[in-house]
Amino acid sequence: EAGVAQSPRYKIIEKRQSVAFWCNPISGHATLYWYQQILGQGPKLLIQFQNNGVVDDSQLPKDRFSAERLKGVDSTLKIQPAKLEDSAVYLCASSALGVTDTQYFGPGTRLTVL
Amino acid sequence: GDSVTQMEGPVTLSEEAFLTINCTYTATGYPSLFWYVQYPGEGLQLLLKATKADDKGSNKGFEATYRKETTSFHLEKGSVQVSDSAVYFCALYQAGTALIFGKGTTLSVSS
Repeated sequence: EAGVAQSPRYKIIEKRQSVAFWCNPISGHATLYWYQQILGQGPKLLIQFQNNGVVDDSQLPKDRFSAERLKGVDSTLKIQPAKLEDSAVYLCASSALGVTDTQYFGPGTRLTVL
Repeated sequence: GDSVTQMEGPVTLSEEAFLTINCTYTATGYPSLFWYVQYPGEGLQLLLKATKADDKGSNKGFEATYRKETTSFHLEKGSVQVSDSAVYFCALYQAGTALIFGKGTTLSVSS
Protein backbone atom coordinates (compact mmCIF):
# COMPACT_ATOMS: atom_id res chain seq x y z
CA GLU A 1 0.00 0.00 0.00
CA ALA A 2 1.46 3.34 -1.03
CA GLY A 3 1.91 5.89 1.75
CA VAL A 4 1.10 9.58 1.84
CA ALA A 5 2.96 11.42 -0.90
CA GLN A 6 4.07 15.03 -0.69
CA SER A 7 5.92 17.37 -3.02
CA PRO A 8 8.16 19.16 -3.18
CA ARG A 9 10.40 17.84 -0.40
CA TYR A 10 12.28 21.12 -0.05
CA LYS A 11 11.51 24.69 -1.02
CA ILE A 12 13.43 27.91 -0.52
CA ILE A 13 11.72 31.22 -1.23
CA GLU A 14 12.11 34.90 -0.45
CA LYS A 15 9.69 36.56 1.96
CA ARG A 16 6.56 37.93 0.31
CA GLN A 17 6.71 35.25 -2.38
CA SER A 18 4.07 32.58 -2.83
CA VAL A 19 4.46 28.84 -2.44
CA ALA A 20 2.25 25.78 -2.82
CA PHE A 21 2.55 22.27 -1.45
CA TRP A 22 0.83 19.16 -2.75
CA CYS A 23 -0.36 16.06 -0.93
CA ASN A 24 -1.76 12.76 -2.14
CA PRO A 25 -3.22 10.72 0.75
CA ILE A 26 -3.42 6.97 1.12
CA SER A 27 -5.98 5.60 -1.31
CA GLY A 28 -9.44 5.51 0.21
CA HIS A 29 -8.64 7.71 3.19
CA ALA A 30 -11.45 10.20 3.65
CA THR A 31 -9.73 12.48 6.14
CA LEU A 32 -6.73 14.62 5.29
CA TYR A 33 -4.71 16.89 7.58
CA TRP A 34 -2.07 19.57 7.13
CA TYR A 35 0.30 20.19 10.04
CA GLN A 36 3.00 22.79 10.55
CA GLN A 37 6.12 21.66 12.42
CA ILE A 38 8.43 24.47 13.46
CA LEU A 39 11.98 23.45 14.37
CA GLY A 40 12.13 22.17 17.94
CA GLN A 41 8.36 21.83 18.30
CA GLY A 42 5.74 19.19 17.72
CA PRO A 43 3.42 19.35 14.73
CA LYS A 44 0.45 21.69 14.98
CA LEU A 45 -2.74 21.14 13.01
CA LEU A 46 -3.47 23.77 10.38
CA ILE A 47 -6.52 22.28 8.68
CA GLN A 48 -8.51 19.05 8.55
CA PHE A 49 -10.65 17.90 5.62
CA GLN A 50 -13.19 15.14 5.49
CA ASN A 51 -13.68 14.26 1.84
CA ASN A 52 -13.65 17.73 0.26
CA GLY A 53 -15.19 19.59 3.20
CA VAL A 54 -13.31 21.48 5.93
CA VAL A 55 -13.76 20.02 9.43
CA ASP A 56 -11.36 22.28 11.35
CA ASP A 57 -9.37 25.27 10.14
CA SER A 58 -9.30 27.18 13.41
CA GLN A 59 -5.48 27.30 13.50
CA LEU A 60 -5.01 28.27 9.84
CA PRO A 61 -3.79 31.88 9.37
CA LYS A 62 -6.40 32.66 6.78
CA ASP A 63 -4.95 36.01 5.80
CA ARG A 64 -2.07 34.22 4.08
CA PHE A 65 -2.71 30.47 4.10
CA SER A 66 -5.28 28.64 2.01
CA ALA A 67 -5.96 24.99 1.33
CA GLU A 68 -8.23 23.00 -0.86
CA ARG A 69 -9.07 19.39 -1.48
CA LEU A 70 -10.77 19.06 -4.80
CA LYS A 71 -12.68 15.84 -5.49
CA GLY A 72 -11.88 14.62 -1.98
CA VAL A 73 -8.47 13.19 -2.89
CA ASP A 74 -5.38 15.37 -3.45
CA SER A 75 -4.88 18.56 -1.54
CA THR A 76 -2.83 21.72 -1.93
CA LEU A 77 -1.72 24.15 0.75
CA LYS A 78 -0.73 27.64 -0.33
CA ILE A 79 1.04 30.48 1.43
CA GLN A 80 0.75 33.95 -0.07
CA PRO A 81 2.68 36.03 0.84
CA ALA A 82 5.22 34.08 2.90
CA LYS A 83 6.81 35.47 6.06
CA LEU A 84 10.07 34.49 7.73
CA GLU A 85 8.14 32.78 10.55
CA ASP A 86 6.53 30.40 8.04
CA SER A 87 9.83 28.51 7.80
CA ALA A 88 8.86 25.02 8.95
CA VAL A 89 8.15 21.49 7.80
CA TYR A 90 4.63 21.09 6.43
CA LEU A 91 3.30 17.62 7.03
CA CYS A 92 0.31 16.02 5.37
CA ALA A 93 -1.46 13.10 7.02
CA SER A 94 -4.49 10.99 6.23
CA SER A 95 -6.78 8.62 8.06
CA ALA A 96 -9.62 6.30 7.21
CA LEU A 97 -13.18 7.44 7.78
CA GLY A 98 -14.14 6.91 11.40
CA VAL A 99 -10.56 6.05 12.44
CA THR A 100 -9.26 9.56 12.92
CA ASP A 101 -7.03 8.60 15.84
CA THR A 102 -4.73 6.64 13.52
CA GLN A 103 -3.09 9.07 11.15
CA TYR A 104 -0.46 8.25 8.54
CA PHE A 105 2.06 10.97 7.77
CA GLY A 106 3.89 11.89 4.61
CA PRO A 107 7.59 12.82 4.55
CA GLY A 108 6.85 16.53 4.72
CA THR A 109 7.96 19.61 2.80
CA ARG A 110 10.71 21.67 4.39
CA LEU A 111 10.11 25.36 3.64
CA THR A 112 12.80 27.96 4.17
CA VAL A 113 11.77 31.61 3.85
CA LEU A 114 14.69 34.02 3.42
CA GLY B 1 -6.71 23.28 26.83
CA ASP B 2 -5.25 19.82 26.38
CA SER B 3 -1.47 19.56 26.32
CA VAL B 4 1.45 17.14 26.32
CA THR B 5 4.77 17.60 28.09
CA GLN B 6 7.82 15.50 27.28
CA MET B 7 11.25 15.41 28.81
CA GLU B 8 13.79 17.69 27.20
CA GLY B 9 16.42 16.14 25.02
CA PRO B 10 18.74 15.19 23.66
CA VAL B 11 18.98 11.80 25.29
CA THR B 12 22.33 10.17 24.58
CA LEU B 13 22.79 6.46 25.28
CA SER B 14 25.15 3.66 24.48
CA GLU B 15 23.90 0.66 22.56
CA GLU B 16 22.02 -1.88 24.74
CA ALA B 17 21.25 0.72 27.42
CA PHE B 18 17.78 1.07 28.95
CA LEU B 19 15.64 3.90 27.61
CA THR B 20 12.95 5.94 29.32
CA ILE B 21 11.38 9.04 27.79
CA ASN B 22 8.90 10.70 30.10
CA CYS B 23 5.55 12.02 28.89
CA THR B 24 2.75 13.56 30.90
CA TYR B 25 -0.49 15.01 29.67
CA THR B 26 -3.29 17.35 30.65
CA ALA B 27 -6.71 16.64 29.23
CA THR B 28 -10.38 16.82 29.98
CA GLY B 29 -12.06 13.53 29.31
CA TYR B 30 -10.30 10.31 28.37
CA PRO B 31 -7.87 10.74 25.51
CA SER B 32 -6.07 8.13 23.48
CA LEU B 33 -2.29 8.37 23.82
CA PHE B 34 0.40 7.80 21.21
CA TRP B 35 4.10 7.69 20.60
CA TYR B 36 5.30 8.70 17.15
CA VAL B 37 8.87 8.39 15.86
CA GLN B 38 10.55 10.54 13.24
CA TYR B 39 13.72 9.16 11.66
CA PRO B 40 16.07 11.63 9.94
CA GLY B 41 14.61 12.86 6.68
CA GLU B 42 11.37 10.94 7.11
CA GLY B 43 7.82 11.64 8.19
CA LEU B 44 6.23 10.72 11.49
CA GLN B 45 5.48 7.03 12.04
CA LEU B 46 3.11 5.70 14.64
CA LEU B 47 5.16 3.65 17.09
CA LEU B 48 2.49 2.57 19.57
CA LYS B 49 -0.78 3.67 21.13
CA ALA B 50 -3.09 3.06 24.06
CA THR B 51 -6.74 3.97 24.13
CA LYS B 52 -7.74 3.57 27.78
CA ALA B 53 -6.32 3.57 31.29
CA ASP B 54 -3.91 0.70 32.13
CA ASP B 55 -3.57 -0.29 28.47
CA LYS B 56 -0.02 -1.07 27.39
CA GLY B 57 1.03 -0.24 23.86
CA SER B 58 4.04 -2.07 22.44
CA ASN B 59 5.95 -2.28 19.18
CA LYS B 60 9.53 -3.08 18.11
CA GLY B 61 10.60 -3.61 21.72
CA PHE B 62 9.18 -0.26 22.87
CA GLU B 63 6.45 -0.14 25.50
CA ALA B 64 4.31 2.50 27.18
CA THR B 65 1.52 2.14 29.75
CA TYR B 66 -1.41 4.56 30.01
CA ARG B 67 -1.42 5.70 33.65
CA LYS B 68 -4.51 7.74 34.40
CA GLU B 69 -3.62 8.30 38.06
CA THR B 70 -0.34 9.98 37.14
CA THR B 71 -1.51 11.25 33.72
CA SER B 72 1.58 9.71 32.17
CA PHE B 73 2.58 7.60 29.17
CA HIS B 74 6.32 7.03 29.51
CA LEU B 75 8.15 5.30 26.66
CA GLU B 76 10.58 2.49 27.56
CA LYS B 77 12.87 0.07 25.79
CA GLY B 78 15.05 -2.46 27.48
CA SER B 79 17.98 -2.39 25.06
CA VAL B 80 18.36 0.38 22.50
CA GLN B 81 20.12 0.06 19.16
CA VAL B 82 21.88 2.60 17.00
CA SER B 83 18.97 2.32 14.58
CA ASP B 84 16.63 3.69 17.28
CA SER B 85 18.25 7.12 16.95
CA ALA B 86 15.39 9.44 16.06
CA VAL B 87 13.02 12.05 17.46
CA TYR B 88 10.17 10.69 19.56
CA PHE B 89 6.87 12.52 19.99
CA CYS B 90 4.21 11.85 22.57
CA ALA B 91 0.68 12.82 21.50
CA LEU B 92 -2.91 12.69 22.66
CA TYR B 93 -6.19 12.56 20.80
CA GLN B 94 -9.80 13.08 21.77
CA ALA B 95 -12.71 12.51 19.41
CA GLY B 96 -13.63 15.64 17.52
CA THR B 97 -10.28 17.31 18.11
CA ALA B 98 -6.83 17.26 16.56
CA LEU B 99 -3.79 15.25 17.57
CA ILE B 100 -1.85 17.29 20.13
CA PHE B 101 1.89 16.67 20.18
CA GLY B 102 4.64 17.28 22.66
CA LYS B 103 7.80 19.06 21.54
CA GLY B 104 9.68 15.88 20.82
CA THR B 105 12.71 14.22 22.39
CA THR B 106 15.81 13.48 20.36
CA LEU B 107 17.45 10.13 21.07
CA SER B 108 21.01 9.49 19.98
CA VAL B 109 22.43 5.98 20.41
CA SER B 110 26.13 5.30 19.91
CA SER B 111 27.85 1.96 19.39
